[in-house]
Parts: sequence; C-alpha cells; structure tokens
Amino acid sequence: AQSVTQLGSHVSVSEGALVLLRCNYSSSVPPYLFWYVQYPNQGLQLLLKYTSAATLVKGINGFEAEFKKSETSFHLTKPSAHMSDAAEYFCAVSDRADGLTFGKGTHLIIQP
Amino acid sequence: AAGVIQSPRHLIKEKRETATLKCYPIPRHDTVYWYQQGPGQDPQFLISFYEKMQSDKGSIPDRFSAQQFSDYHSELNMSSLELGDSALYFCASSWSVTGGPDTQYFGPGTRLTVL
Repeated sequence: AQSVTQLGSHVSVSEGALVLLRCNYSSSVPPYLFWYVQYPNQGLQLLLKYTSAATLVKGINGFEAEFKKSETSFHLTKPSAHMSDAAEYFCAVSDRADGLTFGKGTHLIIQP
Repeated sequence: AAGVIQSPRHLIKEKRETATLKCYPIPRHDTVYWYQQGPGQDPQFLISFYEKMQSDKGSIPDRFSAQQFSDYHSELNMSSLELGDSALYFCASSWSVTGGPDTQYFGPGTRLTVL
C-alpha cells in the first residue's frame, strides 16, 4: 500500500525565511504525488503535483517541490515565507484514479 | 471558475439519526470522491465513483452508502449516526486523464456534528 510520511507536525519560520516541508513516500511503483494546502475551516487547495514529466515541480503561490527517487522524497519549498502562508499542508499519494492517501499534515507557522 | 459545491455546509444531527450530504462536481468532471476529516486529522478516503459506478472504496463504514447520479452529482448517506461521525466531509471531483494523475479538486466541505 502506498503511504506518505510528513516529518514535523509543526514547522515555524520567520517571515521572509525559507520554507521547507518534508514528505517521504513509500510506493512499489512510481507514485503520483501531490501537495495540498488547507486554511482554517476551508477545503483543500492543490499547490502542485508530480506527474513524472519533470522532477522539479512549480506550483502556485511561489511553492515548488522536487521529486527525488533515490531519497523517496517530495519536499515542498518556498524561498521566502509570507504571513499568508500560515496554514496546514498535506502531502498525498495516489494511483491514477484511486482515492488520495494523505500524510498527517504539517502546520506551518510564520513568525513576524 | 466553477468549483465543487457541497450542501449543506453545516449539519447537526442526533445520535442514531440519518444524514444526507450532497456534492455537485465541477462541470464535465466524471469522477467524484468522498473524504472524512476528523478534528486535527488528515482526510481519510471513503469512496469514489467514475461515470456513476463505484470505482474505489476506502474506509467507509457499512452504515454509510453513496451513489453518483446521471447528472454526476453524488450523495453520501449516513445512517445510525454515532458521536464519532462528527467530522468535516469533503467531496472532490476530477476529470479522467489518460496517462497521468487525475487532479482532485476539493469542495469546501460539510461540517457534521452529531450530538
């Protein structure tokens, strides 16, 4: 069964600092990987997805993620954090048409 | 752009009652997914439908059932409600893509409270 592990349930960074949210996957076949963001009391919004076309994936709001097969990782980064980035971030994995399997989530805190 | 619509947005029920949640996918999307997110938890996949047929099943209790109708909207029916069913229920929809992952677009969710 596919799964993802997000290291760190809470990550705190200063405004303007680098954001790094970690995600490692476990899959016997090349997976489809996604990052979603959830603001309080809202639904999940897709940030980016890995489609195997390119290992470095650029998403919305300045986020990007790099697929590293050797490390089974798909970490999410943003060069400069903004206060509006404070939210819950979920890494997810799926087969093409299956339901998503989410990680436990990482709560991103932005310090002024 | 049109998004996934869920109704109602909030629902309060008593134990042992029934509830029906509705989901209207993005126009031309052919697949609908249902997820349950407990307080402070990650979303858990319940069930999905493709072209009105069940396509995948996750951790959906036997007390729950769902279907997708001819207009592609979907309903999640929940019976004999328990306190532990209190959660945020998300619907997502996607358009089947050949050779690539289906991107799921999520609705705002229905917050179910069981008293």
